[in-house]
Amino acid sequence: EVQLVESGGGLVQPGGSLRLSCAASGFTFSDRYMDWVRQAPGKGLEWVGRIKNKGNSYTTEYAASVKGRFTISRDDSKSSLYLQMNSLKTEDTAVYYCAKDSGFGHFFDYWGQGTLVTVSS
Amino acid sequence: DIVMTQSPDSLAVSLGERATINCKSSQSVLYSSNNKNYLAWYQQKPGQPPKLIIYWASTRESGVPDRFSGSGSGTDFTLTISSLQAEDVAVYYCQQYCTSLSSLSFGGGTKVEIK
Repeated sequence: EVQLVESGGGLVQPGGSLRLSCAASGFTFSDRYMDWVRQAPGKGLEWVGRIKNKGNSYTTEYAASVKGRFTISRDDSKSSLYLQMNSLKTEDTAVYYCAKDSGFGHFFDYWGQGTLVTVSS
Repeated sequence: DIVMTQSPDSLAVSLGERATINCKSSQSVLYSSNNKNYLAWYQQKPGQPPKLIIYWASTRESGVPDRFSGSGSGTDFTLTISSLQAEDVAVYYCQQYCTSLSSLSFGGGTKVEIK
C-alpha cells in the first residue's frame, strides 16, 4: 500500500525558515518524480514544485511564486522527500501535500495527508 | 503559463441527478504527437487530500465508480457525475500537466452539494 506521510509543519514568523519532510513507502520511491502541492486555507490547489529521479539528474522545477525561496530535495536511500522553505511570507500559509507522480503523465496518483504551515507574527 | 478556469464555482444537484462540471484551458493541452489530452480531475472531500479520479481527460482511475466520466479535447473539458450519490459531495479540480508548455496548474475548483 502506498503511503506518503508529511511532517515538519508549524508556526513560523515572516522571513523565517522551515523544512518539511515526506516519508514514502509502498512503491519504488527512487523511480518516481515527486512533487509538492499546497492549499491555502479555504482555497484551491497550487503546484509548488517537483524533483525528478536519478535518471533525470534529480532536476528540480518550481512555481514562480516560490522560485529562489524554496528548495526540493530527496534521499532515495530513505525514501524521503524534503521541502526547504526560506524567506517565508504570510501568503505561504497553507497545507503542504507531497504527491507521487504517476510515472506516465505528470498527474498525481497518491497524495499525503498534508502538513499545515502557518506564517504569522 | 496555462490558466485553467472551472465553472460553475458551485452547484447543487438532487440525489440521482446528473452533475456537470466544466474546465477550460487557456491553451490546448492536446499533444498532436500522441493524440492525448494532458488533463486530470481530482475529488477532494472535506479534511482529506485530493484523490485522482480521471486522467488523460477520460480515463477513469482504478476503483472509481463508472458514474464518473470525463470528456472533451483541446481546451474544453467536462466532468460528469451521471447519478449523484451522497458520497460524491466534494470539491472537484481539473489539472493540466502539459509540462512542455507550462508549469502544472489547477482549476479553481467546483463545489458539488446535494440539493
